[in-house]
Amino acid sequence: QVQLVQSGAEVKKPGASVKVSCKASADTFPSYGINWVRQAPGQGLEWMGWISVYNGNGNKKYPQKFQDRVTMTTETPTHTTYMELRNLRSDDTAVYYCASSPSIVGPRSWGQGTLVTVSS
Amino acid sequence: QSALTQPASVSGSPGQSITISCTGTSSDVGAHDYVFWYQQLPGKAPKLLIYHVSGRPSGISNRFSGSKSGNTASLTISGLQAEDEADYYCSSYTDISGVMFGGGTKVTVL
Repeated sequence: QVQLVQSGAEVKKPGASVKVSCKASADTFPSYGINWVRQAPGQGLEWMGWISVYNGNGNKKYPQKFQDRVTMTTETPTHTTYMELRNLRSDDTAVYYCASSPSIVGPRSWGQGTLVTVSS
Repeated sequence: QSALTQPASVSGSPGQSITISCTGTSSDVGAHDYVFWYQQLPGKAPKLLIYHVSGRPSGISNRFSGSKSGNTASLTISGLQAEDEADYYCSSYTDISGVMFGGGTKVTVL
């Protein structure tokens, strides 16, 4: 089972960007992909996209809602995947999770989550 | 509004069985076996319970089982226990929209 550890909580102002990291344990670095999912306070889960880390090919898929504001990248030597969200708004306040999966069709192993608070 | 429809809440007494439904369309739930179920305990990250409609990862109790009929998938929890009190989410996939989640179901053990 893939072990994922995410970066710490962030507080950002509206209009700023945030970059959250997700580091996989070296012996279980996924040869498949990483999903990013967020959960606003008291709300359900929302899929933000997927990036393949298979052989570092970096194939990505973003839902239309986030296509203009999100970028996912992967750094193979450090087994780390990043999610950057730009032009933050107050309704982006949420816990952001990374989750590995053998393919894009469904997240499997989840990180612990990173709280991002957007407030002026 | 979520793409997949789940009941907001389901309750049962200890030892009983409960079933949570997840209704989609012929383009997602009904199109293939890419249906997943997750359990989220309060303040915790989601945990995979079921993959590909009825597959169970190692370490997951056989009290949890999944099935599908047409455009509706179901998660059954048998022998309900106090520790099963949590939120449960289903997910499916389409090439156009990617991964979609249900709105979540709160399970209460009476």
